[in-house]
Amino acid sequence: GNSVTQMEGPVTLSEEAFLTINCTYTATGYPSLFWYVQYPGEGLQLLLKATKADDKGSNKGFEATYRKETTSFHLEKGSVQVSDSAVYFCALIGGSNYKLTFGKGTLLTVNP
Amino acid sequence: DTEVTQTPKHLVMGMTNKKSLKCEQHMGHRAMYWYKQKAKKPPELMFVYSYEKLSINESVPSRFSPECPNSSLLNLHLHALQPEDSALYLCASSQVAGPYNEQFFGPGTRLTVL
Repeated sequence: GNSVTQMEGPVTLSEEAFLTINCTYTATGYPSLFWYVQYPGEGLQLLLKATKADDKGSNKGFEATYRKETTSFHLEKGSVQVSDSAVYFCALIGGSNYKLTFGKGTLLTVNP
Repeated sequence: DTEVTQTPKHLVMGMTNKKSLKCEQHMGHRAMYWYKQKAKKPPELMFVYSYEKLSINESVPSRFSPECPNSSLLNLHLHALQPEDSALYLCASSQVAGPYNEQFFGPGTRLTVL
């Protein structure tokens, strides 16, 4: 079956630091990959997506590249802000199953 | 308009009450979803509606009853819930149910069962 593994949190950074949150996946076929962000007390927002190998998704300074050879979709941002503090979920939809499979989530805290 | 709306934002109910959660989208999406999210966990899929027909029920107890009156609306009827059903209930929609279609989530209804 499909599965997503994210780096365990929490992650604590200072403002303007570089962020990487690792995500690897197992899936049949060619999944679509997503990063969602959940701010405290809110629902999930789609941050970025990639639907085929070597695609790079980007939004609000965040980037992730679909690496089929390493089955990875790591999230990066060059300079984090306090407002980026949230929980980040890596997710996929794979094969004939249109169910979103989520990683466990990574809590990011950015201090001023 | 890329918004999914949910009402109410908060709901407190007793174990003998009957209540309903509502979800609405005006993006012309033909797939709608209910998820349940416990604290510090990822969302868990409950139901999928595709073209207003129930296509997936993830073995959800019958005290949760979904309804899709039209392509824009999705309800979740609640009856005889248990305290362990307290959670954030999220609605989502996508253009169609398929592997290349991102799901857009609403803000959720925070449910407390006393």
